[in-house]
Amino acid sequence: AQSVTQPDIHITVSEGASLELRCNYSYGATPYLFWYVQSPGQGLQLLLKYFSGDTLVQGIKGFEAEFKRSQSSFNLRKPSVHWSDAAEYFCAVGPEGSNDYKLSFGAGTTVTVRA
Amino acid sequence: NAGVMQNPRHLVRRRGQEARLRCSPMKGHSHVYWYRQLPEEGLKFMVYLQKENIIDESGMPKERFSAEFPKEGPSILRIQQVVRGDSAAYFCASSPPAGAYEQFFGPGTRLTVL
Repeated sequence: AQSVTQPDIHITVSEGASLELRCNYSYGATPYLFWYVQSPGQGLQLLLKYFSGDTLVQGIKGFEAEFKRSQSSFNLRKPSVHWSDAAEYFCAVGPEGSNDYKLSFGAGTTVTVRA
Repeated sequence: NAGVMQNPRHLVRRRGQEARLRCSPMKGHSHVYWYRQLPEEGLKFMVYLQKENIIDESGMPKERFSAEFPKEGPSILRIQQVVRGDSAAYFCASSPPAGAYEQFFGPGTRLTVL
C-alpha cells in the first residue's frame, strides 16, 4: 500500500529566506505526486503535481518540486518565502492503480514565517 | 466556474445526534471523494462516489457513517449518533470523469461534537 512521510512537523523560516519541505513516499509503481497547501480554516489548494516527464515541476505561488525516484522523494522548494506562505503543507500520492482513486496524504508540515 | 461547495462550514452537534454534511462538486465533475482530517493529522480517505453509485468505501467506518450521491443534488455524508471522536474536518473533493488523478477540494466542514 502506498504511504507518504513528511519528516518535519513544523518549520520556522524568516521572510525572504529559502524553504524546503521534505516528502518521502512508498509506492509500487510510478507515482502520481501532489503538494497541497492549507491556510488556517481553509480548504486545500493544489500547488503542483507530478505525473510523468520532467522531474522538476513548477507550481503556483513560486513553488517548485523535484521528483527523485532513487530517493523516493518529492521535496517542495521556494527560493524566497513571503509572510503569506505561512500555512500547512501536505504531500500526497495516488492513485495506486487504474481502479484506485484515493489520495494518500502525509501528516503535513506547518510553516511559520517570521519577520 | 464555482469551485467545490460544502455546507455547512461549521457544524456543532451533541453526542447522539445526527450530522449531515453536503458537497456540491464543480460543474462537470461526476466523481466525489470524502476525506476526514483529525486534529494534527493529514487527510484520510473515506469514500469515493459517482452519481448514484458508491465505488469505494474502504475508508468509511462500518457503523454510523453513510454516503450518497444522488442523481440530482449534492453528495451527502451522514453520521448517525455522533460521538466526540467524530469531531474533525471533513473535506469533499471532486474530479471530472477523465481526470480522476487530480482532485479539487472544497473548504471543508468542521464538525464539533459536544
